[in-house]
Amino acid sequence: DVLMTQTPVSLPVSLGGQVSISCRSSQSLVHSDGNTYLHWYLQKPGQSPQLLIYRVSNRFSGVPDRFSGSGSGTDFTLKISRVEPEDLGVYYCLQSTHFPWTFGGGTKLELK
Amino acid sequence: QVQLQQSGAELAKPGSSVKISCKASGYTFTSYYISWIKQTTGQGLEYIGYINTGSGGTNYNEKFKGKATLTVDKSSSTAFMQLSSLTPDDSAVYYCARGGADFDYWGQGVMVTVSS
Repeated sequence: DVLMTQTPVSLPVSLGGQVSISCRSSQSLVHSDGNTYLHWYLQKPGQSPQLLIYRVSNRFSGVPDRFSGSGSGTDFTLKISRVEPEDLGVYYCLQSTHFPWTFGGGTKLELK
Repeated sequence: QVQLQQSGAELAKPGSSVKISCKASGYTFTSYYISWIKQTTGQGLEYIGYINTGSGGTNYNEKFKGKATLTVDKSSSTAFMQLSSLTPDDSAVYYCARGGADFDYWGQGVMVTVSS
C-alpha cells in the first residue's frame, strides 16, 4: 500500500497567520490517465471529514480561497492563509491513485 | 442538498455481525459510487472499499475482505455495510462517503463498539 506521511503532526497557529502542511507519498501519485489523485480533508472536532481540495489544487465548492493546494509526484502541500477559528481541526491527505486508497496520519491545527 | 444519513450506534458481542446503513438523498443515487471508511484513534482513517450503486459491483481493500460486505438497495437509495466475525479491533467509527475515489460528501459516522 502507498504510505502517506504528513508533517507536522501538530501545528500551532495564531489567528490570521499562515501555515503549510506537507504530505509525502511512498510512490508517485501520477495515474496512468495523467491525473494526480491527491486530496485534502479537514475534520473538525466531533464532525465527519470534509473535502477541501481535490486532485492536488482544485478547491471544492464553498471552500474559501484562503486554502490552496500544490505539488506533484510524491510531494504535496496544503497552505492556509489568514487562519480563522473555523479552520481548526485535523487535516488529512488522501491518495486515490493506487488501490487501496490511503490517508495520511493527520495534522492537527490548533491555536498557539 | 446532498445528504448521507447513517444508522445509529451499535454495541455488539465478539463473534457477531452488524449491518449499518447509509441512506442517500439530494442526488441521483446510482450516479455515484459509495465508499466506506473506518476511523480509529490508533490506526487513523482506513479505506474499506466501494460499491458501484448502479451495478452492485464492489472493490475491497484486501485488509477488509471477509470482514466487510457492501450491498445496495437502489429502491431506497441506501447502501449497507455488514461487518462479520466482530472482534474488539473492529471497534471504530465507520463512515460512508459519496464517490469511489474522492469523497465529496460524508455520512455522520456510526460508532461500532465490540465488547462482551
